[in-house]
Amino acid sequence: EAAVTQSPRSKVAVTGGKVTLSCHQTNNHDYMYWYRQDTGHGLRLIHYSYVADSTEKGDIPDGYKASRPSQENFSLILELASLSQTAVYFCASSPGHNERLFFGHGTKLSVL
Amino acid sequence: GDSVTQTEGLVTLTKGLPVMLNCTYQTTYSPFLFWYVQHLNEAPKLLLKSSTDNKRTEHQGFYATLHKSSSSFHLQKSSVQLSDSALYFCALSNMGYKLTFGTGTSLLVDP
Repeated sequence: EAAVTQSPRSKVAVTGGKVTLSCHQTNNHDYMYWYRQDTGHGLRLIHYSYVADSTEKGDIPDGYKASRPSQENFSLILELASLSQTAVYFCASSPGHNERLFFGHGTKLSVL
Repeated sequence: GDSVTQTEGLVTLTKGLPVMLNCTYQTTYSPFLFWYVQHLNEAPKLLLKSSTDNKRTEHQGFYATLHKSSSSFHLQKSSVQLSDSALYFCALSNMGYKLTFGTGTSLLVDP
């Protein structure tokens, strides 16, 4: 079974602070994704990457940056955290086009 | 752009009854459709996948048929169990790198 590990599992941040969410995969997958989950909105794509050192904007990128320093690692950065960014964040990897996503267990972020 | 619509936010059923969760989509490209299931406090996991028109796909008692003529990929099961209580997402891919998800349907199964 493919493995995607997220850290931390939960975090409380202050408004205006910087938050970094980390994701590590051991699947040797090229594609990695960051989604956020909110009640009533399902899963929405923030950023994704299909190769190391390159990231692409998803559907809701505002307020977020992403970094893919290696094939295995993909980070999501909130430079100035806001209350509206309270959500559960999922990282996922995929072997290619139209293939299944393998999700991490999620990070519950609370911005106060 | 692409979109996925799941009309039911919550479905409540008694154990042993059949269920159908609706999913329709919009895309201008050839679609791949997925159903993901997320149990409480767990990560979403793939349940079903299809890109073949009018072919039934089955897994773990669940089944779905992609109908391109009606842009639908409804999820069905003939007899739900307590363990089927979860959040179900329909998702669409269309030759791109990303998956577009619906808003999800919560299924609650009563004893």
